[in-house]
Amino acid sequence: DAGVIQSPRHEVTEMGQEVTLRCKPISGHNSLFWYRQTMMRGLELLIYFNNNVPIDDSGMPEDRFSAKMPNASFSTLKIQPSEPRDSAVYFCASMDTHNSPLHFGNGTRLTVT
Amino acid sequence: AQSVTQLGSHVSVSEGALVLLRCNYSSSVPPYLFWYVQYPNQGLQLLLKYTSAATLVKGINGFEAEFKKSETSFHLTKPSAHMSDAAEYFCAVQKAGTALIFGKGTTLSVSS
Repeated sequence: DAGVIQSPRHEVTEMGQEVTLRCKPISGHNSLFWYRQTMMRGLELLIYFNNNVPIDDSGMPEDRFSAKMPNASFSTLKIQPSEPRDSAVYFCASMDTHNSPLHFGNGTRLTVT
Repeated sequence: AQSVTQLGSHVSVSEGALVLLRCNYSSSVPPYLFWYVQYPNQGLQLLLKYTSAATLVKGINGFEAEFKKSETSFHLTKPSAHMSDAAEYFCAVQKAGTALIFGKGTTLSVSS
């Protein structure tokens, strides 16, 4: 089991550019979550999917943020346009809703200059 | 709405001393409760979880936590700290079928 795979591990971009973060959940897991971690706000839930369908996106900060899950093995989180305050570590996590623990990827550290 | 409060953003102990990390939850229904650990530049790893089977939950690396409904608490303990326990620890709450909500985290430092 390769675990949850996120790419890239690090992303440095300039303000105004589009950023796409990618996630491959653990095979067989039917729930996928995007979290953002900052020093000020800790771990915030952005959005989560169940069976590829977005269930709760109330944590998505602005319309600049969007997330998709076109199939059970892939999800993207896009920021367009990016701003310096978006700098954070973005985590993807997956679980089997039948009482399994949440498994995290190693995160993408985003720096917007 | 569910939430967790971790008391103390930083805890420092000596090697061999008791570790106590505090977590209080609020939930309108009996929740699932979790402790996760995060090492630098890594994602979170599950330490232990409470799902109403037993109030004292044993996890990995010698950690355990006790669910106390009367105090709405789920504090994490370890009898004897080791240098390798230095990390950030997160308490989380979940209602069945929903996402985990995490506390702000507690950084544990262990000195020799």
